[in-house]
Amino acid sequence: AQSVAQPEDQVNVAEGNPLTVKCTYSVSGNPYLFWYVQYPNRGLQFLLKYITGDNLVKGSYGFEAEFNKSQTSFHLKKPSALVSDSALYFCAVREKGSGNTGKLIFGQGTTLQVKP
Amino acid sequence: DAGVTQSPTHLIKTRGQQVTLRCSPKSGHDTVSWYQQALGQGPQFIFQYYEEEERQRGNFPDRFSGHQFPNYSSELNVNALLLGDSALYLCASSLRSSGGPNEQFFGPGTRLTVL
Repeated sequence: AQSVAQPEDQVNVAEGNPLTVKCTYSVSGNPYLFWYVQYPNRGLQFLLKYITGDNLVKGSYGFEAEFNKSQTSFHLKKPSALVSDSALYFCAVREKGSGNTGKLIFGQGTTLQVKP
Repeated sequence: DAGVTQSPTHLIKTRGQQVTLRCSPKSGHDTVSWYQQALGQGPQFIFQYYEEEERQRGNFPDRFSGHQFPNYSSELNVNALLLGDSALYLCASSLRSSGGPNEQFFGPGTRLTVL
């Protein structure tokens, strides 16, 4: 079965320091991977996606993600964290065979806490 | 350009009742997906509508049904509500195309509480 795992419930980082939010996936073949962010009482906002090509994907608000096929990982990164980055982050994979806009399978989410 | 909108924002129902949630997709989008997000969990896919037909369905019982209208807006209906149906219901819109995989854009959600 296809799945996504986010091994950390919470990540704490000081403002100005680099941050990493981890994600691993289990999908046969080439995966389509996404990161979303959710602020309190809000819907999900799209950050970035990996389809194919360059393993380093750049997205919104200074975020980037590194795709590693051998480790089946798609970790979210930012060189310098801001307090305003504090939110809930979700990694997702598109279900194989679900088409261009089909079903997303989400991880459990990781709460990012950036302290001043 | 309005993004995805959902109504109502909050809803309180009692067990056994029925509820209808509404969604208007982002301008130019033709596909609507619905997700259920329980507290502390990631969103779970309920179903997807395109061209007024249900195209994909997740592991949800028949009590969950939907509809898509010619203007691409959509409704999610839940019958015989259970306490476990309490959750944030998210609508996401996207555009089918022959190009590469497209991201889904999410609305703010409807918070359903079942008492």
